[in-house]
Amino acid sequence: GAGVSQSPSNKVTEKGKDVELRCDPISGHTALYWYRQSLGQGLEFLIYFQGNSAPDKSGLPSDRFSAERTGGSVSTLTIQRTQQEDSAVYLCASSLSGGRGGSSSLETQYFGPGTRLLVL
Amino acid sequence: GQNIDQPTEMTATEGAIVQINCTYQTSGFNGLFWYQQHAGEAPTFLSYNVLDGLEEKGRFSSFLSRSKGYSYLLLKELQMKDSASYLCAVKGDSNYQLIWGAGTKLIIKP
Repeated sequence: GAGVSQSPSNKVTEKGKDVELRCDPISGHTALYWYRQSLGQGLEFLIYFQGNSAPDKSGLPSDRFSAERTGGSVSTLTIQRTQQEDSAVYLCASSLSGGRGGSSSLETQYFGPGTRLLVL
Repeated sequence: GQNIDQPTEMTATEGAIVQINCTYQTSGFNGLFWYQQHAGEAPTFLSYNVLDGLEEKGRFSSFLSRSKGYSYLLLKELQMKDSASYLCAVKGDSNYQLIWGAGTKLIIKP
């Protein structure tokens, strides 16, 4: 596609329910990132995918959070038993590759519009 | 630890020039990014510096001094649409993870 897309754009759920967020990266981008952003705050790294594998899950806040990526393309972030503190904007980004630095064309991250999650 | 510092908020006048500073302390350095984020929208890429010096792109310029752990974003001929948050992010030792500043909210007044 032309850019990174995410769905749903907004999600309201009740505490304790599971939610699934979807990210469709730019075609050909091998690296995919999930972030969380609370109101007025910076970006909190959650997880990184290179292809279908996730070498770094260190940012996932708890074991209620999981993510997968299939076919080197679409990724889903699942939050189980949601809590009110999970309310935030969940942003997905993709880049051509995740490298060692030195090339903006390869490593610049392009963001999707985000999913605004509200847990009541 | 690793951290990035930016002013929380700045105010400037339409037509003027503003400089947004970013200082960083990271394990290693492999590039610094600036992103613009309008309220309620996703961040969009502005600039990338990996070598010392000034990179100019139209009304926006970005400067880097690796020895000082310092960068700035310079915005000239400010327009009302430049009102946004500006995020500084550094690629340290990690192959992929960026360390993000909290962002500087820039308010442009007529």
